Formats: sequence, structure tokens, C-alpha cells
Amino acid sequence: QKEVEQDPGPLSVPEGAIVSLNCTYSNSAFQYFMWYRQYSRKGPELLMYTYSSGNKEDGRFTAQVDKSSKYISLFIRDSQPSDSATYLCAMSEVGADGLTFGKGTHLIIQP
Amino acid sequence: GAGVSQSPSNKVTEKGKDVELRCDPISGHTALYWYRQSLGQGLEFLIYFQGNSAPDKSGLPSDRFSAERTGGSVSTLTIQRTQQEDSAVYLCASSGRHRGLYNEQFFGPGTRLTVL
Repeated sequence: QKEVEQDPGPLSVPEGAIVSLNCTYSNSAFQYFMWYRQYSRKGPELLMYTYSSGNKEDGRFTAQVDKSSKYISLFIRDSQPSDSATYLCAMSEVGADGLTFGKGTHLIIQP
Repeated sequence: GAGVSQSPSNKVTEKGKDVELRCDPISGHTALYWYRQSLGQGLEFLIYFQGNSAPDKSGLPSDRFSAERTGGSVSTLTIQRTQQEDSAVYLCASSGRHRGLYNEQFFGPGTRLTVL
């Protein structure tokens, strides 16, 4: 079992829909949780970062972490065609050097 | 300001040849990271530099892989005697490092390596 599991999709939804993206993980020592967005042939860019459990909101994006269930989510409201990309969850232990990534979910927003 | 840059953007090589991949981090960033993104495998952490030092090289896939960083800036990832399974996108990231705290990693566009 990989440390971080993420459904690769593709996930296709109509414009304006609420999108829910999720990851599960097995390492209870993970404390930092991140969501990256990656457009085709580009490097990942950070969308959201959360420390430990809880929710964080930034515009149309909400990140949730449930450490008791080892489950993290990213919600996108009022989805736009420009949101079409691969969304990668990432996490790390405190003081860790590298990030542990999920495989990424390919999201398609249909106009 | 300028972001992380990587060169070349694409590299096609023959099996058995050596390749060098270059990363220029964001100016002033002390930490530098290399990742590999293979089809269907997600991003895999390879190695991290704090300054010119790489404290842990265990993430490198084999002894054909090596990395160095000079002057606390540019880093090169070298793959010797390339194999077809080395084909992937190699991503570099940098951050301002404060150990024990969260440090956002800024990624470059990657080098797409194809081994024929």
C-alpha cells in the first residue's frame, strides 16, 4: 500500500459544479498537508496548505484535513474551465526533507 | 522575480548514455529539492540540499544517479548509463528553509527525459 492514495480520475464535471477531490494516507506522523495544481507540461503550483487538522478557505477553494480518518479533501466551488488540471495532494512530517505526493487527479471542467 | 528554472526542457538520449539536468533555484532560497514524475507514478522525492550539502541520498533510485550543488545555488542531477525506466519528468523545487516549520516549495517546469 502506498503512503498516499489518490484516485487518478479523470473526473469530469460541468462548469459551475462543486468539485470534491480526496486523498487518504497511512502515515500518522504527517502534519503538513498541501494541494498542488499542475497544468499540462508545467510544474506543480501550491494552492492550499494546512497544518494538522481543520479547514482552510481561500476564495473558491476549501481544504479539509481529518487526521483521525487520515483523509484530506479539496473542494472547488463554482468550478471554471480554467480549473481543468491535475490536482496533487502532498504531505510531510515535521522536519521532513521531501514531500510525499499522491498520484494526482485529472480534473476536467466542461464549459 | 524569476522562478525556478530548469534546463534542458526536453532531453532525448540513447540507452547507456549519461545525462546532466540543471536547476537554477529562486535567488536566496537555501533549500533545493529534486523529484521524479513518472507516468502513472506521481511525484517521487529524490534528494534535498540545504546549502551545498545533501544529508540523505537514500531517495536516489540507484547508484547511477548523483546530484551536486555548488555555491548554494545551481544544482545538477546526473544520470549515468541511462536506462529506459529512467524516462520521466525530473522536477526541481526550492524553498527558504527554516527547519521544523513549513516551507513552501516552488517548482520549476521540469526536464522531460526520454531514453530510447
